[in-house]
Amino acid sequence: QQQVKQSPQSLIVQKGGISIINCAYENTAFDYFPWYQQFPGKGPALLIAIRPDVSEKKEGRFTISFNKSAKQFSLHIMDSQPGDSATYFCAAIKNGKLTFGGGTRVLVKP
Amino acid sequence: NAGVTQTPKFRILKIGQSMTLQCTQDMNHNYMYWYRQDPGMGLKLIYYSVGAGITDKGEVPNGYNVSRSTTEDFPLRLELAAPSQTSVYFCASSYGDAWGVGYTFGSGTRLTVV
Repeated sequence: QQQVKQSPQSLIVQKGGISIINCAYENTAFDYFPWYQQFPGKGPALLIAIRPDVSEKKEGRFTISFNKSAKQFSLHIMDSQPGDSATYFCAAIKNGKLTFGGGTRVLVKP
Repeated sequence: NAGVTQTPKFRILKIGQSMTLQCTQDMNHNYMYWYRQDPGMGLKLIYYSVGAGITDKGEVPNGYNVSRSTTEDFPLRLELAAPSQTSVYFCASSYGDAWGVGYTFGSGTRLTVV
């Protein structure tokens, strides 16, 4: 059963634009919600993470918005750059174990 | 520091063959994990370990076995390979913290079963 659902599967954005990726979860007992960035041929790397008692977290051009009542969270990439072209995974963690969303392939066109 | 090292990077197996995917970490992490990533999909947990001598099943354990005799090593064994096991396999390690910031992934093993 998929406990974290992610959309869209892919998106194309112009350089300087905003990329928005959405996730929804089904288990209310998750401890934390990280986002991972993966480049081709590499393993995922932590990008940014948020606790369930916080509604928003910003690090540079990356912002997580979290809606606990709706069980939804999203990643916003502001001023998207070609170097941001990668696959992004939302995830939820419980007891040290990560559950991943299906991933979103982001392409930033120059 | 090497972090999490996986070998081999690529492998082609015939149906019914067996192999071991190696994973070692040098960060003294207690927790280690094996995930598989199918094309266009997220990572699914196969097995995990919270310390030497302790292993447990994840979401998709069928067809795999693991052992954890040392803190550093966490090999994944495939017995009787099947085409459904064609995937990219990632090993990861962490301190087991609640927020996942300590997770480090290896660069993956791409396995094809023909």
